[in-house]
Amino acid sequence: AQTVTQSQPEMSVQEAETVTLSCTYDTSESDYYLFWYKQPPSRQMILVIRQEAYKQQNATENRFSVNFQKAAKSFSLKISDSQLGDAAMYFCAIGGNQFYFGTGTSLTVIP
Amino acid sequence: DVKVTQSSRYLVKRTGEKVFLECVQDMDHENMFWYRQDPGLGLRLIYFSYDVKMKEKGDIPEGYSVSREKKERFSLILESASTNQTSMYLCASTSGETQYFGPGTRLLVL
Repeated sequence: AQTVTQSQPEMSVQEAETVTLSCTYDTSESDYYLFWYKQPPSRQMILVIRQEAYKQQNATENRFSVNFQKAAKSFSLKISDSQLGDAAMYFCAIGGNQFYFGTGTSLTVIP
Repeated sequence: DVKVTQSSRYLVKRTGEKVFLECVQDMDHENMFWYRQDPGLGLRLIYFSYDVKMKEKGDIPEGYSVSREKKERFSLILESASTNQTSMYLCASTSGETQYFGPGTRLLVL
């Protein structure tokens, strides 16, 4: 079985500052992918960033980057230069044939 | 762009009613999924399908069934709705390693 743990139910960040959302996971699979999804209030869940587990290089997508520590089974998301539009629920997920999601972190951006 | 649509954004039903939630994707994806999303519980998998007429139970299939008669359409059925099925229902499809989500259906069972 695969599990995903997000230990921070809520986080806040000042606009233009940097914030890191934590995620740990457990899997017995050797080949898997890790994801961060964003769900703005009353809006659709969208993919933020994806990391292939076999790649050592951390994925980056504009202001979003990950810190992937495979041995520690950790996959944190860093948001740089936070913007008001970043306010959302963020879900960490592990995927292969099936997907498993964490319970989410609600991010508030303070103007 | 991948497009996953769900038939309703909001639904209000009575206890005991049969409820159909429809999901359609336009990218010829083979895999489709139904989740329910509840505060503090994240997304929990109800059913998924790898192909037409194929279905697999997820983590919480009780009280639900599914139908996949065409590749692009995956329906979730609540045979006899109960108040504990009040939730947000999300449909997703995949081709390869990434899931794409529909906008969700918020179901209220009275």
